[in-house]
Amino acid sequence: QKEVEQNSGPLSVPEGAIASLNCTYSDRGSQSFFWYRQYSGKSPELIMFIYSNGDKEDGRFTAQLNKASQYVSLLIRDSQPSDSATYLCAVSSGSARQLTFGSGTQLTVLP
Amino acid sequence: GAVVSQHPSWVICKSGTSVKIECRSLDFQATTMFWYRQFPKQSLMLMATSNEGSKATYEQGVEKDKFLINHASLTLSTLTVTSAHPEDSSFYICSATTGESYYEQYFGPGTRLTVT
Repeated sequence: QKEVEQNSGPLSVPEGAIASLNCTYSDRGSQSFFWYRQYSGKSPELIMFIYSNGDKEDGRFTAQLNKASQYVSLLIRDSQPSDSATYLCAVSSGSARQLTFGSGTQLTVLP
Repeated sequence: GAVVSQHPSWVICKSGTSVKIECRSLDFQATTMFWYRQFPKQSLMLMATSNEGSKATYEQGVEKDKFLINHASLTLSTLTVTSAHPEDSSFYICSATTGESYYEQYFGPGTRLTVT
């Protein structure tokens, strides 16, 4: 069974700090990896995706992938109160590229 | 780009009735659409995968006769919850992918279903 595990949190960081979110996955055949942000009562919003080992940066966000360790992370630099949300790690595999989601990490950025 | 809409955004229905939820890709053609269900404080659980013109593929434990999915065109998929019961109350979210790039999925805004 494919599993995606995230540190459960909740995670609190002060405004301006770096927030680090982690995710591990069990299926070695996984091909693409996604980070979604979900505000309470809303649907997930795609932040980043990564498919090759290493780092991928987009503004204040950096995704890191290590396929050997089956580990993917998301760093949020200069965290803002508006970043407070639940962050979902999702892993894509299978012919139809279904997503398997982790349980999410709730992040609170304190002003 | 990559906008997905859902209708209705919320619905209240009585136990035993059926409810239809629409999912549309507004500015792209969706080769595949997915339906998820999310209970409070839980993550998204995939219910089914649908491709235009084909029967949907349901995840284990999801009753295909209860959750009817029709993917009639490359921009529209519908989920009908038949004979709804209070335990079907949930947040239903669809997503769509073009099948290009790395298969990133774009999510609709979700439909809050409450069965009384």
